[in-house]
Amino acid sequence: EPEVTQTPSHQVTQMGQEVILRCVPISNHLYFYWYRQILGQKVEFLVSFYNNEISEKSEIFDDQFSVERPDGSNFTLKIRSTKLEDSAMYFCASSERGQGYSPLHFGNGTRLTVT
Amino acid sequence: DAKTTQPPSMDCAEGRAANLPCNHSTISGNEYVYWYRQIHSQGPQYIIHGLKNNETNEMASLIITEDRKSSTLILPHATLRDTAVYYCIVRVNTGNQFYFGTGTSLTVIP
Repeated sequence: EPEVTQTPSHQVTQMGQEVILRCVPISNHLYFYWYRQILGQKVEFLVSFYNNEISEKSEIFDDQFSVERPDGSNFTLKIRSTKLEDSAMYFCASSERGQGYSPLHFGNGTRLTVT
Repeated sequence: DAKTTQPPSMDCAEGRAANLPCNHSTISGNEYVYWYRQIHSQGPQYIIHGLKNNETNEMASLIITEDRKSSTLILPHATLRDTAVYYCIVRVNTGNQFYFGTGTSLTVIP
């Protein structure tokens, strides 16, 4: 069964450094998402992306964050200058359509640790 | 999106059916009911979804009441690997976001 893959599984970085988290969505999916989960807390929506542009974003997704689909297969999340509070699991997801009947399929996440 | 209410935790004996309830009394006509689960810190895993009718797939069954104000996820023969946090989510037809609550922590007991 096709799946969403994320790399790396664990990333450690120093405060102030830039990080890029990578995702390969399911190949025929058109909508892409990033969520995050701080340890012990809820899964939170960050951003959705369709047709090479952001379609929705949350308050968490400030100017430090950006997303890109650099080629036909990858979808990336960049954090420009990491803060301690960015430490979390980051989940990429994709869906075939954007409508409510189309489920999101999640990857297994990248654990980001900012020291 | 409509808010959902789930019990914080439940136990189920291995081999028995696990019935996980969800209340979504403010659901509107174009909102789908979704169920996901999360095992440890893995990514949320899609289980099933529905709009009005009951649904069944290889993982589970979803029973939605006629007034759509509540639903039940049924795992017919729970195994130890079904121990996870189960999230009930309602999603508007035109929305891109899923709002995850705190879910129900299901423990399957040997």
